[in-house]
Amino acid sequence: EAGVTQSPTHLIKTRGQQATLRCSPISGHTSVYWYQQALGLGLQFLLWYDEGEERNRGNFPPRFSGRQFPNYSSELNVNALELEDSALYLCASSTLGTGGQETQYFGPGTRLLVL
Amino acid sequence: AQTVTQSQPEMSVQEAETVTLSCTYDTSESDYYLFWYKQPPSRQMILVIRQEAYKQQNATENRFSVNFQKAAKSFSLKISDSQLGDAAMYFCAYRSGRGGGADGLTFGKGTHLIIQP
Repeated sequence: EAGVTQSPTHLIKTRGQQATLRCSPISGHTSVYWYQQALGLGLQFLLWYDEGEERNRGNFPPRFSGRQFPNYSSELNVNALELEDSALYLCASSTLGTGGQETQYFGPGTRLLVL
Repeated sequence: AQTVTQSQPEMSVQEAETVTLSCTYDTSESDYYLFWYKQPPSRQMILVIRQEAYKQQNATENRFSVNFQKAAKSFSLKISDSQLGDAAMYFCAYRSGRGGGADGLTFGKGTHLIIQP
């Protein structure tokens, strides 16, 4: 069974540009989570999509946005890039079991560098 | 808000020995899940082990086991017979049992595990 996939592996942008990151969940998983892993800040929850809807977001500004497609794949968009957006962006997928017994499985990440 | 604390930034162990990584957490909830993830240099986060708070029995997965002390809010990971492939960053993570995962995972800062040959 294929795991979570992310593209691109690396992305280099300049300040003020927009970045688009993509994630394909494990087959059968309907939930997609996005996390940011920045140096010195650790792993932080960004966004949660389930069944095509944004369900929750972490403490990030609105220029971080995204969507989930009918096939449950997801896109993360970061507008007006700032230098501090440089980080590894991890996507995870899960399927919500009964009683919330879900486990998140991660993709390999997209490393975004903002110059 | 929940917090997860890993007090050991780095640990070193001889190959074939046993090592324990510490994790404490703070929550007012009674229903939650705890995880250990491993992140090798490839940066792919790999699930190591999972524990449901309502289960008293400690989870085990082959050479990996946890010591879950709910009252003390402690969740340590024991790695037996350490192997070179165990070298990685290890993250302890918490997830609330309410809201179907609405808040995502809350991670600790990580422990860098070094395996000495």
